[in-house]
Amino acid sequence: QKEVEQNSGPLSVPEGAIASLNCTYSDRGSQSFFWYRQYSGKSPELIMFIYSNGDKEDGRFTAQLNKASQYVSLLIRDSQPSDSATYLCAVDRGGNQFYFGTGTSLTVIP
Amino acid sequence: DTGVSQDPRHKITKRGQNVTFRCDPISEHNRLYWYRQTLGQGPEFLTYFQNEAQLEKSRLLSDRFSAERPKGSFSTLEIQRTEQGDSAMYLCASSSRIEQFFGPGTRLTVL
Repeated sequence: QKEVEQNSGPLSVPEGAIASLNCTYSDRGSQSFFWYRQYSGKSPELIMFIYSNGDKEDGRFTAQLNKASQYVSLLIRDSQPSDSATYLCAVDRGGNQFYFGTGTSLTVIP
Repeated sequence: DTGVSQDPRHKITKRGQNVTFRCDPISEHNRLYWYRQTLGQGPEFLTYFQNEAQLEKSRLLSDRFSAERPKGSFSTLEIQRTEQGDSAMYLCASSSRIEQFFGPGTRLTVL
């Protein structure tokens, strides 16, 4: 079983819609959860992170954690074509390394 | 620019050659990470430094790979006797707390 699993997509949403991205993690002791955005040919860019004690909203982005089911979601409201990218979920199990999923490709259609 | 920088951005080498990459972290960050990313995959952890101490290495890291961080500032990653399977993007990230910030990466192509 992989540490972090994501649906590779592609996920397509129309401009202005809500995009919902999910990932599941295997270690119940995981403490922090991160969402990165990666444009083609570029390095990952941190969008936001949450701790195991709550959800977080930042502008159009909301990260939610379901500890019982061991999944993390990222909601993007009012999706824009510039949001088209691969979204990587990463998990910190409390050690010194992040475990990344393979990413979900999102396309926002104008 | 106060972000993480990496050099070179691209490297093409022949199989069997040695290559060295450099990473300059954000100046106040004491933690530095190296990752490798291949097409369609997420970044894969290679190694971690806290200041100058290398505290963790991935089991996937063969003995052809070595990393250093002298004086706790910049870091180098060396790959000896490169193989075609080493072709990938090598990413460096730094942090001072928990969130990691990535550099632009070095794309290695082994012919």
